[in-house]
Amino acid sequence: AQTVTQSQPEMSVQEAETVTLSCTYDTSESDYYLFWYKQPPSRQMILVIRQEAYKQQNATENRFSVNFQKAAKSFSLKISDSQLGDAAMYFCALYTGANSKLTFGKGITLSVRP
Amino acid sequence: DAGVIQSPRHEVTEMGQEVTLRCKPISGHDYLFWYRQTMMRGLELLIYFNNNVPIDDSGMPEDRFSAKMPNASFSTLKIQPSEPRDSAVYFCASSPSVWEPQHFGDGTRLSIL
Repeated sequence: AQTVTQSQPEMSVQEAETVTLSCTYDTSESDYYLFWYKQPPSRQMILVIRQEAYKQQNATENRFSVNFQKAAKSFSLKISDSQLGDAAMYFCALYTGANSKLTFGKGITLSVRP
Repeated sequence: DAGVIQSPRHEVTEMGQEVTLRCKPISGHDYLFWYRQTMMRGLELLIYFNNNVPIDDSGMPEDRFSAKMPNASFSTLKIQPSEPRDSAVYFCASSPSVWEPQHFGDGTRLSIL
């Protein structure tokens, strides 16, 4: 079975500051993908960033970057220069080919203080 | 390009009624997924299809739930009879292959009174 754990239910960051959202996972598979999705109050699920397990280089997308620690099974999301529009719920997700399922963490609510 | 389209956006109905949720995946995406999101359980995969064929329905909670995909551009999730505990947001997602990111619709907020 595969699991995704987001232990922090809520976080807050000052506008323009940097925040890191934590995620740990567990899988016995060697080939897998990790994702961060953003869900704003509008309810959309928006893909923020993706990391392939076989790649050592951490993925980056503009102000969003990850710290992928494969041995520790850790996959944190760093948001730089936080903006008010970053306020949302963020979900970490794990995909393996073994069961072709995307497993989500419980999510973390990020608030951005002006 | 149009994204995944779900309808209705909101549905309020009384217990015991039949509910049908609809989804139009992105054209060319061979995989379609139905999820349910609740505060208590988070996001759960209910069922997914590959080329219109149901592959894994182990997440479907009960026989009251059924899903179909009659063609590549349309899928339904039906609940009959509905119960208050079915109240949740239901998402449909599609992807071109299992290794590609899933694209989500805006979800249907279902309230069963």
